[in-house]
Amino acid sequence: QVQLEQSGAEVKKPGASVKVSCKASGYRFANYDINWVRQATGQGLEWMGWMDPNRGKTGYGQMFQGRLTLTTNASISTAYMELNSLRSEDTAVYYCVRGLRFLIGGDDAFHVWGQGTVVTISS
Amino acid sequence: QSALTQPPSVSGSPGQSVTISCIGTSSDVGHYNRVCWYRQPPGTAPKLIIFEVNNRPSGVPDRFSGSKSGNTAYLTISGLQTDDEADYYCASYAGDINFVVFGGGTRVTVL
Repeated sequence: QVQLEQSGAEVKKPGASVKVSCKASGYRFANYDINWVRQATGQGLEWMGWMDPNRGKTGYGQMFQGRLTLTTNASISTAYMELNSLRSEDTAVYYCVRGLRFLIGGDDAFHVWGQGTVVTISS
Repeated sequence: QSALTQPPSVSGSPGQSVTISCIGTSSDVGHYNRVCWYRQPPGTAPKLIIFEVNNRPSGVPDRFSGSKSGNTAYLTISGLQTDDEADYYCASYAGDINFVVFGGGTRVTVL
């Protein structure tokens, strides 16, 4: 079945960087967008950015411009989210999500979700 | 503060219907027919239940329906069941720069 398996929990100090991986299985990786969405404890969802693995195109939310880098390694069907200059407000669960529609670059329907990665920023 | 406005909570009895509103602007909900709804039971990842205003992905029961009028989108849950208790989030495409904006979420309680 279609699955996204994310890397484990991270604890980082303010100012550091974190890189979360998201390994896809059960479908052809290049055919669907990967988005990243985060959720602070008890809070709502916040879209961060997206990547089209087929064309290598990316889009970043304005709040994350300059701090967020999305990449993929198609040979191992894995997407990566790297966030720099971490601050306490970045403490959240980070989700990778596969788009719903086949070969639609910029798919805004988030269909298959990873299990989430808890990132804690603490000095 | 979220870009889209949802009521913090709604409630209903088993078998009843509840409707959740999602108020946006002419730059998102009002401009595009690309509203999605997500269901998130406690401690789990969200699940897509409606896309493009009123379409259901495969496997989502037809008790869930979506609609839109002007800058406001709606999710209706008919025949409310106890396992419908969850947080529900709306989202809308908002153009190439903002891409997707979310509502703050609505907690549905089954009395």
